[in-house]
Amino acid sequence: DQQVKQNSPSLSVQEGRISILNCDYTNSMFDYFLWYKKYPAEGPTFLISISSIKDKNEDGRFTVFLNKSAKHLSLHIVPSQPGDSAVYFCAASGNTGGFKTIFGAGTRLFVKA
Amino acid sequence: GAVVSQHPSRVICKSGTSVKIECRSLDFQATTMFWYRQFPKQSLMLMATSNEGSKATYEQGVEKDKFLINHASLTLSTLTVTSAHPEDSSFYICSARSSGQGNSPLHFGNGTRLTVT
Repeated sequence: DQQVKQNSPSLSVQEGRISILNCDYTNSMFDYFLWYKKYPAEGPTFLISISSIKDKNEDGRFTVFLNKSAKHLSLHIVPSQPGDSAVYFCAASGNTGGFKTIFGAGTRLFVKA
Repeated sequence: GAVVSQHPSRVICKSGTSVKIECRSLDFQATTMFWYRQFPKQSLMLMATSNEGSKATYEQGVEKDKFLINHASLTLSTLTVTSAHPEDSSFYICSARSSGQGNSPLHFGNGTRLTVT
């Protein structure tokens, strides 16, 4: 049972344009959502998060949007840079789950120069 | 920033042998560490939660006798894959929180690529 889903395995974007990565979840008990970025041969690194009481969180070029009614969140990167090329994992956690973090399958982003 | 070190980064072993993977928090103490496994093009699957000074908590479907976890100190957790078989070949990665807050982000090691021949 995939509680966190990233339906797009890959995304290709031109440098300078916006990258939009999508994520859906099924467990309404999740109350915290995170995005991680992963380069090859490295562990994931935390990028940005959002609490379920908010619908938007912005940090520089990165903005995460949360639509609780649709159980959907998205990560916007603007402007996209070649260095943003990586695998992006959506993740969710919740108090009732003992704060276990559940990950999606990841989306590989290619930013073309 | 919080650093998690994982060793070895890559290991090849023969079927039937055991392999130990170490996970260390270098600049913070971690009462809890998390072990994940990733198959190609799939998500990070939580295997177990390692608790310092007590037994690990395993996720459904994960054999505790197969994947032995020891968390003997606040900075070290080990995962031992016992009697490894080719189907155990995978990418294993550990993580920990540097903050005691339950929803704080995880810090990951760089993972261990296990190949069982």
